Amino acid sequence: NAGVMQNPRHLVRRRGQEARLRCSPMKGHSHVYWYRQLPEEGLKFMVYLQKENIIDESGMPKERFSAEFPKEGPSILRIQQVVRGDSAAYFCASSPAQGSLTGELFFGEGSRLTVL
Amino acid sequence: DAKTTQPNSMESNEEEPVHLPCNHSTISGTDYIHWYRQLPSQGPEYVIHGLTSNVNNRMASLAIAEDRKSSTLILHRATLRDAAVYYCILRGPSGGSYIPTFGRGTSLIVHP
Repeated sequence: NAGVMQNPRHLVRRRGQEARLRCSPMKGHSHVYWYRQLPEEGLKFMVYLQKENIIDESGMPKERFSAEFPKEGPSILRIQQVVRGDSAAYFCASSPAQGSLTGELFFGEGSRLTVL
Repeated sequence: DAKTTQPNSMESNEEEPVHLPCNHSTISGTDYIHWYRQLPSQGPEYVIHGLTSNVNNRMASLAIAEDRKSSTLILHRATLRDAAVYYCILRGPSGGSYIPTFGRGTSLIVHP
């Protein structure tokens, strides 16, 4: 049973370009969380999605960032017009619908974005 | 939003037990106590969770205080591979705390 798959593992972008990070949850999981981790800092919550719905995006920057989790396919975190401050590791976690509020999360290995 | 307090870092020797403390004095009755760890350059990994009773699994034990205002993650015999940042978080359906919020955690250093 494959775990949470994130790709690309490493992404380099120049300022002003777009970054798209993909997350395939574990099989049977319909809940996805995105976190950002700046160097030497903890994980910061960004957004919580269920299939075709954004449940909580209170941690998302107001501009340039968007996320989706379509009925088919992976969840995508999109960053438009990247700036150097967006350089970070972006982690995705998934959980099944049952116990989604209190159960364990399964994390991917992360996507490391570097903005030149 | 319930929060946790952990020491910034702890040290241990290999093959000795490690007790990692966590304070959560504002915990509500429906909040679960979760522990995750993050090895260098990897994603966080679930370790254990509990509600009121102590819990054991193959990775660790979780001791929960009777008043639930604190808990301790116990690694029975530390190995070099246990060197990681350990996060104690609360998860519950009330007050918006169902979003897992990670603090800075405790950085565990294991000496050979």
